[in-house]
Amino acid sequence: EPEVTQTPSHQVTQMGQEVILRCVPISNHLYFYWYRQILGQKVEFLVSFYNNEISEKSEIFDDQFSVERPDGSNFTLKIRSTKLEDSAMYFCASSEGQASNQPQHFGDGTRLSIL
Amino acid sequence: AQSVTQLGSHVSVSEGALVLLRCNYSSSVPPYLFWYVQYPNQGLQLLLKYTSAATLVKGINGFEAEFKKSETSFHLTKPSAHMRDAAEYFCAVSDRGQGGKLIFGQGTELSVKP
Repeated sequence: EPEVTQTPSHQVTQMGQEVILRCVPISNHLYFYWYRQILGQKVEFLVSFYNNEISEKSEIFDDQFSVERPDGSNFTLKIRSTKLEDSAMYFCASSEGQASNQPQHFGDGTRLSIL
Repeated sequence: AQSVTQLGSHVSVSEGALVLLRCNYSSSVPPYLFWYVQYPNQGLQLLLKYTSAATLVKGINGFEAEFKKSETSFHLTKPSAHMRDAAEYFCAVSDRGQGGKLIFGQGTELSVKP
């Protein structure tokens, strides 16, 4: 069964550095998402992406965050000038069609640790 | 705005016992509802979804959930727990007009005792 893949599985970065989290969504999917889960807290929506542009973003997704689909397969989340509070599990997800009623398929996540 | 409340951050059952994980939602329009499971060090896996067809929804691994509009609930059940069901379970809502983002509950950790 096709799956969403995320790399790396664990990223350790010094505070203030830039980090890029990578995702390969399922190939025929059209909607892409990033979520994060701070340790012990609920999964939170960050951003959704469709047709090469952001369709919705949360208040968490401020100017330090950006997303890109640089080619036909990868979907990246960039965090500029990381802060300690950015430490979390970041999940990429994709869905096939009309987003609201289509299930989202999640990757295994990237654990981001900011030192 | 939509919201999801999961009653009980931790539920413990014995192997073979009934599993009941509670989820209540708040939405101004009929929602789409989902249950996801997260095993340790893994991503979220879809268990089942409600998208306004049958109110009783059957999912994978023997789980099912019933949508009750009058109670704004979407509780997850399984008649007989297995050790392998031990995981974190998340209820989520997606508003039809919102373009697909999921709003998650805080999660319920299910423990299964032998």
